[in-house]
Amino acid sequence: AQSVTQLDSHVSVSEGTPVLLRCNYSSSYSPSLFWYVQHPNKGLQLLLKYTSAATLVKGINGFEAEFKKSETSFHLTKPSAHMSDAAEYFCVVTPFGNEKLTFGTGTRLTIIP
Amino acid sequence: DVKVTQSSRYLVKRTGEKVFLECVQDMDHENMFWYRQDPGLGLRLIYFSYDVKMKEKGDIPEGYSVSREKKERFSLILESASTNQTSMYLCASSSDPREQYFGPGTRLTVT
Repeated sequence: AQSVTQLDSHVSVSEGTPVLLRCNYSSSYSPSLFWYVQHPNKGLQLLLKYTSAATLVKGINGFEAEFKKSETSFHLTKPSAHMSDAAEYFCVVTPFGNEKLTFGTGTRLTIIP
Repeated sequence: DVKVTQSSRYLVKRTGEKVFLECVQDMDHENMFWYRQDPGLGLRLIYFSYDVKMKEKGDIPEGYSVSREKKERFSLILESASTNQTSMYLCASSSDPREQYFGPGTRLTVT
C-alpha cells in the first residue's frame, strides 16, 4: 500500500522568507513522487516530479524538493516566497510502474505581505 | 498546451436527479481520470479509463458510473444524486498516467 502524509494543513510565511512544505511517504515499491499546486479556482498543475533519477528535483517557479529515502520524505522548498505562491499544494505518490496516484490531504500556503 | 475542459464550473442539482459531468481533452491522451476533492481529504480517484470503452474503478466508485465513447471525452454519471456527493469534481488526462493534466473542476451542489 502507498500513502503520503502532509504534516501541515496550513503554512503561513512572510513574503521574501523561505517556504517549507513537508511530506512523508509510504510505499512498498520504489516510488515516484510529485508535488502539484492548485491556485484558487484553478485546476491542479504539476510543480515537479521525482522518478528515481536525481534526488534533488527542481520545478517551476523556483520550487524544489529533495527525495530522502532514509527519512521517507519529499519536502518542498523555495528560498524566497512570493505573493503569487499562495495556493494549495498536494504531495502525491505512486509506486514505480503503477498508474494510480495517491494524493495527500493538501497544505494551504498563505503569504503575508 | 494541453487543455482539459469541463462542461460546467458550478452545478446545482436536486437529490435523486441524474447528473452528467463532461470532460474533454484536446491532446489525444489515452488516459483519463475522474477525482473528487473534499476539504481535508485531498483528491480521491473515482474512475479512470485507459482507452475508449474501457473503464476501471478507482478508490470510491460507489454511486458513480462513467462513459468513454470517444477518446477525447470522458463522462462521469451520478445515477441518483445524493447530498453526500456535493463536492468538487476534477477531470484529468495524460499520456503518462503519472503526469496528469487537470481541468478547472466542477463544483457540484446537491440539495
